[in-house]
Amino acid sequence: KNEVEQSPQNLTAQEGEFITINCSYSVGISALHWLQQHPGGGIVSLFMLSSGKKKHGRLIATINIQEKHSSLHITASHPRDSAVYICAVRSGTETSGSRLTFGEGTQLTVNP
Amino acid sequence: NAGVMQNPRHLVRRRGQEARLRCSPMKGHSHVYWYRQLPEEGLKFMVYLQKENIIDESGMPKERFSAEFPKEGPSILRIQQVVRGDSAAYFCASSPLRGQGQETQYFGPGTRLLVL
Repeated sequence: KNEVEQSPQNLTAQEGEFITINCSYSVGISALHWLQQHPGGGIVSLFMLSSGKKKHGRLIATINIQEKHSSLHITASHPRDSAVYICAVRSGTETSGSRLTFGEGTQLTVNP
Repeated sequence: NAGVMQNPRHLVRRRGQEARLRCSPMKGHSHVYWYRQLPEEGLKFMVYLQKENIIDESGMPKERFSAEFPKEGPSILRIQQVVRGDSAAYFCASSPLRGQGQETQYFGPGTRLLVL
């Protein structure tokens, strides 16, 4: 079993729909990241969370430390949101620093 | 402030050759991480370096792979005697000094290595 599990693996939505991507992890963490990987392959960091909720534009990320679960929400989805969304956790010690452990990613396709 | 730079963006090598991948972190960042993304797989940690020090190389294959981050110049991931299974996208990320409360990692565009 992977330390970081994402669901769903693939998600297709119509423009304007509300989207939720889930991430569960099995290890103690100091922070959780949501990343976006574009079709060209570049990776952008969307959020870093250690508790609660963060919002940036149409994106909202939440984390429940007790339940070891995080969600990424996209409101009013748009075709340009089509990408792979990756959950990553940071559980490093002082020695290992901030190394990230990644989920397998969720492929999101938003149709016009 | 330029982002994380990686070069080359694409690299083609024949089996048995050496591959050198370079990463220049963001200005002011002294922590570098290398990750590998095999085809159809997720990202995996390889190595974490600070200037002139390897801090954690637990994710790096024991043979043929090495990494360095010299006092001057970019970080280099070196793969000797490449095999087809090394074909992957290699991403570098950097972060600023620890303890400053800014530990977001900034990713480079990646180097796509193809071994023929």
